[in-house]
Amino acid sequence: GAVVSQHPSRVICKSGTSVKIECRSLDFQATTMFWYRQFPKQSLMLMATSNEGSKATYEQGVEKDKFLINHASLTLSTLTVTSAHPEDSSFYICSARAPDFRGLLEGGYTFGSGTRLTVV
Amino acid sequence: GENVEQHPSTLSVQEGDSAVIKCTYSDSASNYFPWYKQELGKRPQLIIDIRSNVGEKKDQRIAVTLNKTAKHFSLHITETQPEDSAVYFCAASIRSGATNKLIFGTGTLLAVQP
Repeated sequence: GAVVSQHPSRVICKSGTSVKIECRSLDFQATTMFWYRQFPKQSLMLMATSNEGSKATYEQGVEKDKFLINHASLTLSTLTVTSAHPEDSSFYICSARAPDFRGLLEGGYTFGSGTRLTVV
Repeated sequence: GENVEQHPSTLSVQEGDSAVIKCTYSDSASNYFPWYKQELGKRPQLIIDIRSNVGEKKDQRIAVTLNKTAKHFSLHITETQPEDSAVYFCAASIRSGATNKLIFGTGTLLAVQP
């Protein structure tokens, strides 16, 4: 089945530094990658939609200069949290829509394993 | 705006009883409605999904119903077991440009009491 690999799984960084999170689609080409953020005991909130070779589309209220998204290839998308602060501490998770088992239609959404970011 | 509402936020049932979680969506163009189970610190796990051309789908103890006219869909779990305890999220696809993004409901914490 479709697999999205996300790294790192956990990261602790100092306030003011930047952190990069990677998501790779291992056995399919992800033309679109979605980035979510989940605070404790809350839902997954869509931050942005990243399209290969073009600028990401950010949801309302998400700072594009703080959360830099790069989707340089069909198998790799990155999210960089710049100048991180304690309030950015959260669970970040990516998702891509994979083709169905025949490779013809779009199947379900495949999620990465998530990154627990703690800013101290 | 794009919105998916989910109720209840918490649900406690006795082992063997049924559990029902309900969601409503705002975009009448939505055509894909998955349900996810999420354990603490883990990725959401797809348990069942339904597309807009179908009114009901069942997979063993789990079923989903969709009412397009009313824009709501429900998850039904029968013969609940303690291992069903988790947070459940509904979601709806929303057309955004050339792609469909998933918007999640607020989640339901299900506790199955042995």
